[in-house]
Amino acid sequence: GEDVEQSLFLSVREGDSSVINCTYTDSSSTYLYWYKQEPGAGLQLLTYIFSNMDMKQDQRLTVLLNKKDKHLSLRIADTQTGDSAIYFCAERRYNFNKFYFGSGTKLNVKP
Amino acid sequence: DAGVIQSPRHEVTEMGQEVTLRCKPISGHNSLFWYRQTMMRGLELLIYFNNNVPIDDSGMPEDRFSAKMPNASFSTLKIQPSEPRDSAVYFCASSPTGPNYGYTFGSGTRLTVV
Repeated sequence: GEDVEQSLFLSVREGDSSVINCTYTDSSSTYLYWYKQEPGAGLQLLTYIFSNMDMKQDQRLTVLLNKKDKHLSLRIADTQTGDSAIYFCAERRYNFNKFYFGSGTKLNVKP
Repeated sequence: DAGVIQSPRHEVTEMGQEVTLRCKPISGHNSLFWYRQTMMRGLELLIYFNNNVPIDDSGMPEDRFSAKMPNASFSTLKIQPSEPRDSAVYFCASSPTGPNYGYTFGSGTRLTVV
């Protein structure tokens, strides 16, 4: 299908790790992205991964890519209350300039 | 770099009125995108431009919506006449051309049509 799929909610305790999952649709997608949206704000690019990579780490963020299953995940280590936001995954399909966004996962971090 | 600038931040208008949303992309970015975000439908791509030319407007809901990009530094999204179901947050985003660039989003315009 056309949809990029994410679970809608995730709740974790401060200090725990968060894992946000995403299933995308096009095996030829070249780049996959994670965006963060805080309340009342636009989407902020967090990180991205090229499709020939399996993993990318950037400080507390780890992106894992399973091309066979078309599965992308974002792991946030030592989750803080400031990480509470909506997280969107997006795929940029081959030969297209436009992104396809998931519905977003609302992360709630409890103190 | 001031980022993508949208105006106004908030707009409240009466049904039937014309609404114009404005966007200034980042200098040097040659792709511009208009998105609409609602609770029910999430993020929807309305239209995107490349080098000021509309490339894909398949997401524009109906003829009441129109978008222009008269030059590389300015775009408008117009709704005429507006309806309550148009109430949403409208985002503009820009990007350099190339697959390894993410979009940079503006802060959005929250439109309420009463």
